[in-house]
Amino acid sequence: IAGITQAPTSQILAAGRRMTLRCTQDMRHNAMYWYRQDLGLGLRLIHYSNTAGTTGKGEVPDGYSVSRANTDDFPLTLASAVPSQTSVYFCASSDEYTDTQYFGPGTRLTVL
Amino acid sequence: GIQVEQSPPDLILQEGANSTLRCNFSDSVNNLQWFHQNPWGQLINLFYIPSGTKQNGRLSATTVATERYSLLYISSSQTTDSGVYFCAVAGGSYIPTFGRGTSLIVHP
Repeated sequence: IAGITQAPTSQILAAGRRMTLRCTQDMRHNAMYWYRQDLGLGLRLIHYSNTAGTTGKGEVPDGYSVSRANTDDFPLTLASAVPSQTSVYFCASSDEYTDTQYFGPGTRLTVL
Repeated sequence: GIQVEQSPPDLILQEGANSTLRCNFSDSVNNLQWFHQNPWGQLINLFYIPSGTKQNGRLSATTVATERYSLLYISSSQTTDSGVYFCAVAGGSYIPTFGRGTSLIVHP
């Protein structure tokens, strides 16, 4: 059982480029989340999905979009990257019975 | 949204010492979790504890929902306990909000 996988592990991206961060879970969890982590600010929620076919905005959604075509996958897209999107991005899913969150290993993104 | 404050922001201990980390929140919650982020960045769920007390080995947590705080106790600390400890809460929207964390360094 892999749990949650994220790809790529790290990426350096030129400003203005489009980028999709991938997240896949094999736990059949309904809820999934994308966070960004910046030094001194903790984790901030970007977007979430309570179940396949639905998505919602978190605390910092601007510049990001998500889709949830099926239960397992929850990609995060930066349509036109900007330097302020340099961060570590974590994907998570939660068990609907206990609401316990499980995190992926993260993607370190640098936008130059 | 719900405000989450964690204290202390930084903590330095000698191996074997005990510590208490605190999480205050501004509104009623139906979900509270404690996480440990190790020095390699991995986030691990420690407790799901919207109320009551739980224990897991040297770690225990207590949430007093009516007074809007939670405590994480670490006993007989080890160097492997180093990292950042986060509290995350959710209210009626079920959308999690994280505190800024407590950074713990345990010296041998």
